[in-house]
Amino acid sequence: KAGVTQTPRYLIKTRGQQVTLSCSPISGHRSVSWYQQTPGQGLQFLFEYFSETQRNKGNFPGRFSGRQFSNSRSEMNVSTLELGDSALYLCASSLGGTDLAKNIQYFGAGTRLSVL
Amino acid sequence: AQSVTQLGSHVSVSEGALVLLRCNYSSSVPPYLFWYVQYPNQGLQLLLKYTSAATLVKGINGFEAEFKKSETSFHLTKPSAHMSDAAEYFCAVSDRGSTLGRLYFGRGTQLTVWP
Repeated sequence: KAGVTQTPRYLIKTRGQQVTLSCSPISGHRSVSWYQQTPGQGLQFLFEYFSETQRNKGNFPGRFSGRQFSNSRSEMNVSTLELGDSALYLCASSLGGTDLAKNIQYFGAGTRLSVL
Repeated sequence: AQSVTQLGSHVSVSEGALVLLRCNYSSSVPPYLFWYVQYPNQGLQLLLKYTSAATLVKGINGFEAEFKKSETSFHLTKPSAHMSDAAEYFCAVSDRGSTLGRLYFGRGTQLTVWP
């Protein structure tokens, strides 16, 4: 079974631009969660989508948004990029049900975003 | 909200020595606990998980962790370190409450293994 696929792996953007990152979950997984990883703040939760609905949200500004499609693939968008948005963005997929014992998150390799 | 503390941002051991990475969580109700490993330029790989079954959990690559409710700890151990274990290790918590799909991570521990 294929793992979680994130595209692209690397991105370079300039301040003020916007960017879209993509995440394809493991087949059969209905939940996709997004995290930002930086040396200063560590791993921070952005949001989680389940069955095309945002189910949970972290403490990030509205410039960070996401969506999920009917095939469970998810995209994350960051508008008006700032230097501080430079980070590794990780997505994780899981079954998404209410049985937490089975709701294990599996991560993709990440998209490294550099904002110049 | 949950919080996870990993004592020691860097741990160095010799090859063949015991590996001990510490993790403490804050919760009045035992959550679900995980250890992930991250190799350079890669995502997170699940090492092991505790989901309220046996308190001693065995994972991949010879790692294991013991859940101790009285100490709110979930330390990761490996009897004999290998060079290939050099990586960053993250302890994470999943709340049993309403925050489905969200993991709370510690700041990570970078493990260095000396030959």
